[in-house]
Amino acid sequence: GENVEQHPSTLSVQEGDSAVIKCTYSDSASNYFPWYKQELGKRPQLIIDIRSNVGEKKDQRIAVTLNKTAKHFSLHITETQPEDSAVYFCAALFGNEKLTFGTGTRLTIIP
Amino acid sequence: KAGVTQTPRYLIKTRGQQVTLSCSPISGHRSVSWYQQTPGQGLQFLFEYFSETQRNKGNFPGRFSGRQFSNSRSEMNVSTLELGDSALYLCASSGLQGGETQYFGPGTRLLVL
Repeated sequence: GENVEQHPSTLSVQEGDSAVIKCTYSDSASNYFPWYKQELGKRPQLIIDIRSNVGEKKDQRIAVTLNKTAKHFSLHITETQPEDSAVYFCAALFGNEKLTFGTGTRLTIIP
Repeated sequence: KAGVTQTPRYLIKTRGQQVTLSCSPISGHRSVSWYQQTPGQGLQFLFEYFSETQRNKGNFPGRFSGRQFSNSRSEMNVSTLELGDSALYLCASSGLQGGETQYFGPGTRLLVL
């Protein structure tokens, strides 16, 4: 069935360092992979997404890489700041428009 | 454009009762998906509606149901509430075709006593 695994579940990073969150997916036909950030008490918000026809996408301090052969994709945050502290969810679009989420990564930036 | 809205924002019910939650998508969006979010289980997909038809369904019991109206507004209903149904229920809307960005509403926090 459709499955997205996300690691790690928690991550603590010193301010200014980089953070990397990894996800693997089960369906090789998946072609859309968004990342959402959810701050405490708020709704998930899209921060970056990637489609299967590209291998990497960057937006300022965040980037996503996709390896379709290995069926995994990763979120990279560089020069982390306290406001990056949140829960991050990866997701993959399966079959007929069903978006399946990973279990989330709680990222804490240590000042 | 106004964002996705959900009503009510908070709800307290007792076991055995039923509840109806409402979601209004972004204007022009025809797809509405519902998710249950709990601390231990992350975001669990409930179902997705597109043009008034249920297009996808997650692995939830039949007590969870939904519908979509011609104006794309959607409702979900939970009957015979159980304590374990306490959660944040999020809906998300997206545009016409597949692979579109999903925009989330603020959620309805349901507490079952």
